[in-house]
Amino acid sequence: QQQVKQSPQSLIVQKGGISIINCAYENTAFDYFPWYQQFPGKGPALLIAIRPDVSEKKEGRFTISFNKSAKQFSLHIMDSQPGDSATYFCAASSSARQLTFGSGTQLTVLP
Amino acid sequence: DGGITQSPKYLFRKEGQNVTLSCEQNLNHDAMYWYRQDPGQGLRLIYYSQIVNDFQKGDIAEGYSVSREKKESFPLTVTSAQKNPTAFYLCASSIAATGGYGYTFGSGTRLTVV
Repeated sequence: QQQVKQSPQSLIVQKGGISIINCAYENTAFDYFPWYQQFPGKGPALLIAIRPDVSEKKEGRFTISFNKSAKQFSLHIMDSQPGDSATYFCAASSSARQLTFGSGTQLTVLP
Repeated sequence: DGGITQSPKYLFRKEGQNVTLSCEQNLNHDAMYWYRQDPGQGLRLIYYSQIVNDFQKGDIAEGYSVSREKKESFPLTVTSAQKNPTAFYLCASSIAATGGYGYTFGSGTRLTVV
């Protein structure tokens, strides 16, 4: 029940396209859903996060969409750029637990 | 600048050896964590510590040990009991151990068994 399932495992998008990464969870106690971006040889860094009281959060080209009833959330990267090529992790936590991470999505944006 | 420093960046271990990975933070965070990253498996929690002189096992603690003698430091020892230690190891810290907020990661140590 602590799992966060992430898909796809890898994604290739043309420059200027939309990248979409999906995550699903089971634990209804989860109340914080961040996305992390990781470049090769580096540690993950917080990209954007959402709480279940809103259905969407946008920061620049990055948007989280949240569907509480379906227990799913997704990351949308608009106008994808080669510099966005990285591994993206979704995660979830509750007030009583540490972060649980998804398995990661390796995004490649072709120039 | 505040942050987390992991050393060394690359580490090679011979069969049967114990090795220790260093993690130091100057963020004044109470909680610290060790994660293991393998391709396609995300970040798996090895150990975490909420306060000095206390730590708890994560999901994959077997073959690993930690100590937390100082707030700033949380070293991880990979023992010979860990049968498949080749991986990328990440240290993180946060203000509190629960809630998931404000995690800061180090740049990682890549451990290879030779």
